[in-house]
Amino acid sequence: GAVVSQHPSRVICKSGTSVKIECRSLDFQATTMFWYRQFPKQSLMLMATSNEGSKATYEQGVEKDKFLINHASLTLSTLTVTSAHPEDSSFYICSAQTGEETQYFGPGTRLLVL
Amino acid sequence: DAKTTQPPSMDCAEGRAANLPCNHSTISGNEYVYWYRQIHSQGPQYIIHGLKNNETNEMASLIITEDRKSSTLILPHATLRDTAVYYCIVIVAGGFKTIFGAGTRLFVKA
Repeated sequence: GAVVSQHPSRVICKSGTSVKIECRSLDFQATTMFWYRQFPKQSLMLMATSNEGSKATYEQGVEKDKFLINHASLTLSTLTVTSAHPEDSSFYICSAQTGEETQYFGPGTRLLVL
Repeated sequence: DAKTTQPPSMDCAEGRAANLPCNHSTISGNEYVYWYRQIHSQGPQYIIHGLKNNETNEMASLIITEDRKSSTLILPHATLRDTAVYYCIVIVAGGFKTIFGAGTRLFVKA
């Protein structure tokens, strides 16, 4: 149980385009979902927290207009990187929480912006 | 949430027990100790968590000192597939925000 999926697993896009990443909890309803970013050889950095039906809460330094988060249902959250640039290239990971403290993580999406 | 301190890297021989320490000297009474691991290019995997008592599951054992200021994650028979970065995290009960430190990079060697 407690499986979280992400789609796509990897994406390459041109600079200036937008990319959408989906995060789904497959066998449970997630009251809260989280989005992280990880650069090579670094730890995970929390970007934002989203609750179903409400606006996401962004961490300091994360541009909410650039990283659009939608949490439309208890099993789906999406992260859209708008007008992507090469510096946005990273490993994006989502996680989902049932209401207790335990977070279950997706496999990650590797984004490369050319 | 309390901060944790872990050694940056450790080695372990295949088949032996891997003991990964974590210091959380500022932990509060309502904060859980969580362990996750991240194998290269994958999302973190939940391993185990505890509040006061020692815990064991099919993956590992968690030993928490009586004063709760430190803990040890034990992988009883490490395999090459256990090579990963192991993160020790403290989370307040009912809380949700998880801040990852640098973790311990465990190398299991044949």
